[in-house]
Amino acid sequence: GIQVEQSPPDLILQEGANSTLRCNFSDSVNNLQWFHQNPWGQLINLFYIPSGTKQNGRLSATTVATERYSLLYISSSQTTDSGVYFCAVSGGSEKLVFGKGTKLTVNP
Amino acid sequence: DAGITQSPRYKITETGRQVTLMCHQTWSHSYMFWYRQDLGHGLRLIYYSAAADITDKGEVPDGYVVSRSKTENFPLTLESATRSQTSVYFCASSDGGSTNYGYTFGSGTRLTVV
Repeated sequence: GIQVEQSPPDLILQEGANSTLRCNFSDSVNNLQWFHQNPWGQLINLFYIPSGTKQNGRLSATTVATERYSLLYISSSQTTDSGVYFCAVSGGSEKLVFGKGTKLTVNP
Repeated sequence: DAGITQSPRYKITETGRQVTLMCHQTWSHSYMFWYRQDLGHGLRLIYYSAAADITDKGEVPDGYVVSRSKTENFPLTLESATRSQTSVYFCASSDGGSTNYGYTFGSGTRLTVV
C-alpha cells in the first residue's frame, strides 16, 4: 500500500515565525488532505489538495503530484497553531492512509 | 445538531465485555470511517462504509464489527474487548470528493479496557 512520510517529526517555533511541513508519498494519489489535531484532540480538515496550490488565511498548501510530495506552509505562526499536523493520502479509493504527523509547538 | 457526533466521549469497560461506539452524521455523506489512534501508530483505519449496507475492512479490523443500516449511523462494536483495544476512536464522514472538501471527523471516543 501507499506509504506516507512526514517531516520533520517535531518542530518548535517562536510566535511570528514561518514554517514548512513536508509530506512524501510512495505512489500516485487522487486524494490528499492535511489535518490539524489540536491539543484537545480534535481533528480539523485544513485542505483537500490532490494537486495544485490552495491558501486559507495564514496557511497554504502545495501538492506536486508528479513528484509525490506536498508542502504545508504556516506563516506568522500563533500559539493556537500548536498541535499535530497530519497528511493523509489515497490512491484510488476514499480510504485515507495517514502519516505519523508533525508535532508543532509555538512558544509565545 | 448539525455535523458528526460520537458517543460516548469516554468509556471504561472490562476485558471480555461487548461495547458499542456510536457515530451519527447529519450531512447524508455516503462514506463513513472508523479510525483508531495510538501512540507510535498514528491513525489506522478499522472499517469503512461507502453507503448504507456496504462495509469493508480497513487495516486493523480484527475484533471489531460494524453495520450501516441507515446512511447517518455507523456504529462500531467490540465483540469481546481486550486491553489492546484501549485507544482513541475517531469516526469520520466524507461525500466522496463531490465537493472537494474531504473528511470531517467526530470528536473521538476515548476507550479504556481494564
